[in-house]
Amino acid sequence: GAGVSQSPRYKVTKRGQDVALRCDPISGHVSLYWYRQALGQGPEFLTYFNYEAQQDKSGLPNDRFSAERPEGSISTLTIQRTEQRDSAMYRCASSLWDRGHEQYFGPGTRLTVT
Amino acid sequence: AQTVTQSQPEMSVQEAETVTLSCTYDTSESNYYLFWYKQPPSRQMILVIRQEAYKQQNATENRFSVNFQKAAKSFSLKISDSQLGDTAMYFCAFMTFLQGGSEKLVFGKGTKLTVNP
Repeated sequence: GAGVSQSPRYKVTKRGQDVALRCDPISGHVSLYWYRQALGQGPEFLTYFNYEAQQDKSGLPNDRFSAERPEGSISTLTIQRTEQRDSAMYRCASSLWDRGHEQYFGPGTRLTVT
Repeated sequence: AQTVTQSQPEMSVQEAETVTLSCTYDTSESNYYLFWYKQPPSRQMILVIRQEAYKQQNATENRFSVNFQKAAKSFSLKISDSQLGDTAMYFCAFMTFLQGGSEKLVFGKGTKLTVNP
C-alpha cells in the first residue's frame, strides 16, 4: 500500500512568512509523529497524535510552532513568522498503534528560510 | 532523560565483508524498544530492525542482526555480506513510553557507512 506522504517536498520561504507542512499517514495508522532533522543529525521529536488528540507537544521549540490533526488522518504542522534557524528537514511518521509499533517515515519536507 | 550515543561518526567496509555499528543508550526504564534506521543518500528513513527489551533473543532480518546487551545498555548492528546498497547513514533509536500513552523515538547522531567495491 501507499506509504506516508508529505507535501510540499521542498519549501523556500522568506523570513517572517508562515508555512504549513502537510502529512498524510498510512491508511489505518492511528499514531502520527512529527520530527525535525538538522543536517548531519538524527531526527528530533516535535509532537505526537493519537487519532485527533495531540498527546505530547513537548518537543515543539516555541509557540510559533503548532500542529493539528482534526479528523484523525491528515496532519498539518504550521510555523508562524519563520526564522532562519527553522531551516531543516521536517519529517512525519505514522504507526499502526503506539506501544512500540514501528514508525514509518515519510520523505520529509525540506524547509529553507531565506 | 534518555540519550543514545553512536560513537563511530564514519565507517567503511569492503563489499561482501561484515561490519558492526555500535550504539549505547542511557535509561532507567526496564521496558522499552530499540530500532535501527537507515538513511540512504535519498534521505528516506527506512526501518532496518527492531528489538524489544524484554526479549533476550537478538533480532535478525536477513543480513542484519543485532547484539543486544541489556545490562550494558548496548545495541550494536551487524551487517553481513555488505552490499553497495548498504551505503547510508545509520541511526540507532530508543523508544520510550510516556505517561498518558504517548511515546517518542530518541535518535543518536548517526554513523555514516560506506561500502567500497
